[in-house]
Amino acid sequence: QSALTQPASVSGSPGQSITISCTGTSSDVGGYNYVSWYQQHPGKAPKLMIYDVSNRPSGVSNRFSGSKSGNTASLTISGLQAEDEADYYCSSYTSSSTWVFGTGTKVTVL
Amino acid sequence: QVQLVQSGAEVKKPGASVKVSCKASGYTFTSYGISWVRQAPGQGLEWMGWISAYNGNTNYAQKLQGRVTMTTDTSTSTAYMELRSLRSDDTAVYYCARLRVYDILTGYPLPGRPFDYWGQGTLVTVSS
Repeated sequence: QSALTQPASVSGSPGQSITISCTGTSSDVGGYNYVSWYQQHPGKAPKLMIYDVSNRPSGVSNRFSGSKSGNTASLTISGLQAEDEADYYCSSYTSSSTWVFGTGTKVTVL
Repeated sequence: QVQLVQSGAEVKKPGASVKVSCKASGYTFTSYGISWVRQAPGQGLEWMGWISAYNGNTNYAQKLQGRVTMTTDTSTSTAYMELRSLRSDDTAVYYCARLRVYDILTGYPLPGRPFDYWGQGTLVTVSS
């Protein structure tokens, strides 16, 4: 199972919106609405930010939103803040009843 | 509050085995499963497999089949991950994460549930 493809880095100024893409295949992203997004600060464990493509867990800011079209899912961060600077990983359930993660995207707040 | 507390760092020689523990608290352990995810230094996340604390069922990543075993001890609400025949490329931080695997009321599987709580990670270093 190959990792999902994400851009290596995305940057934006405070207050701007950025979008991170996550491209897979019809056997994972395109086949199920089971895409999740995780935020990871350096030296810390990942934190669930979005699940089932577009749902936010309790306590996660509504500045984070998710969507999907075909084999590509996206995470949008609006009103970018300094604390959003972190690595972001997508994850998808697969047709083999396993999970696959994305390659990861480093978000930099300029 | 939900907590997953993992065992401490390990240093192992190539060919040895390592067993990492993950003690859960703050929820009904048998109503969920535990997945294991690892992260090599400077690299991304890699899913390793999951175990249901409800019935002990497991599902491992194909590349680790035959080298990994996941178990649970429901009396102590602890999950374990054992990795054998260690190689240098097994050097990584190993995380446990909680997920729903079955609907406890019906027994039906719940596919694709997210990893909603994570342990703090355990660094395993494989070096001669």
